[in-house]
Order: sequence, then C-alpha cells, then structure tokens
Amino acid sequence: GENVEQHPSTLSVQEGDSAVIKCTYSDSASNYFPWYKQELGKRPQLIIDIRSNVGEKKDQRIAVTLNKTAKHFSLHITETQPEDSAVYFCAARNKGWGKLQFGAGTQVVVTP
Amino acid sequence: SQTIHQWPATLVQPVGSPLSLECTVEGTSNPNLYWYRQAAGRGLQLLFYSVGIGQISSEVPQNLSASRPQDRQFILSSKKLLLSDSGFYLCAWGLGTGIQDTQYFGPGTRLTVL
Repeated sequence: GENVEQHPSTLSVQEGDSAVIKCTYSDSASNYFPWYKQELGKRPQLIIDIRSNVGEKKDQRIAVTLNKTAKHFSLHITETQPEDSAVYFCAARNKGWGKLQFGAGTQVVVTP
Repeated sequence: SQTIHQWPATLVQPVGSPLSLECTVEGTSNPNLYWYRQAAGRGLQLLFYSVGIGQISSEVPQNLSASRPQDRQFILSSKKLLLSDSGFYLCAWGLGTGIQDTQYFGPGTRLTVL
C-alpha cells in the first residue's frame, strides 16, 4: 500500500519568512495530493490540492509543487503570519479510489 | 452545498460503557464515508470506510464497529469502551472518483474514556 512520509515534524518560523513542508510517497500510481490545515481543537481543513497532471499550483500565499519522478511534493507558505500556526497534513491517494494516506503532520509555529 | 454533521461534540464515558457516534451528510448522494481517530497530538488514523449502504471496510482491528444504515448516515459503535479509545473522532465524506475526489471532514467528537 501507499506510505507517506512528512518532514519536518515541527517548524518554527519568524513572521514574514517562508515555510516549506516536504512529503514523499511510495506508490507511483498515486494521482491526487491534498494538504490539510488543522488548528488546535478543530477539524482538518483542505487548503490546497494538486493532481498528478500538474507540477505546481498556487493560491495567494500558498503553493504546492509535485515531482512525480522523485515521488515527492511540497507545501510552500510565503510571508507567514501568526494565523498560519497550525498542524499541516499532506496526503496521497491511489488512482481510482478515495482512500487517502496521510503523513504524520507538521506543527508550524509562526512567531511575531 | 454539502454539509457534514457529527454528534455529540464531546462525550465523557466510563470504561466498559457502550458508544454510539453519528455522522450525517447533506447535499450529496452516494458519498464515500470515513471514520478517523486522532489521539492527542497525533496523526489521522483511518478506522473504517464505506462506499455504500451496508458496505463497511475496516482498516484497523479493534473493539469498534461501524454501520451505514442509510446513504448519508455513518455510525461508529462500541460495546465496551477501553481507555485507549479516547481521542478525537472525525467523520469525513468524499465522492471518491474523477475530479470530485476530495475528502471533507466533519467537526469531530472529542471522546474521553475514564
């Protein structure tokens, strides 16, 4: 089955700096890669996703890149703000079915 | 638009007591439904998923069970709770195929077993 590794487990950044979280996956048949943000005590919320036919996707300060050859994808947050502090989860989905394999999560702390 | 509901929001139960958590989805038909558990400070563990009424797949052997009596209703149950069952239980829905393959989470139930 699919295995997703996520790094780092914790990330501290100064407000205004960029944050990068990296995930690797094992199954080359995976074709969908969402990212979720979970604030303390809340549900995970989808913030951005990318499909395997696209190399990069941006939404304001958030971007995701995908390298299918190397089987890794990354989340980039620019101009970080205190409200970006949360746990971020990456996930990968096998072609044709809805189950997601999640990474272990990254705790991001943005300090003013 | 689609909405997912879970109840109760919080629950405190003694060890050995039964459990029933409910999840319902509005605004879509024949969704894939999922139960996840999240221990404090940990990741998301998939417990059960369902592609249709009466169709349940278990991901992790445990003292929990799931049922899907109606198209948009998913229930998580236990006959006797263990201390290790404490956690944040999240229901999620998705359409599973094609373009609409994103999973969306419900608000969750925080369960404490004492």
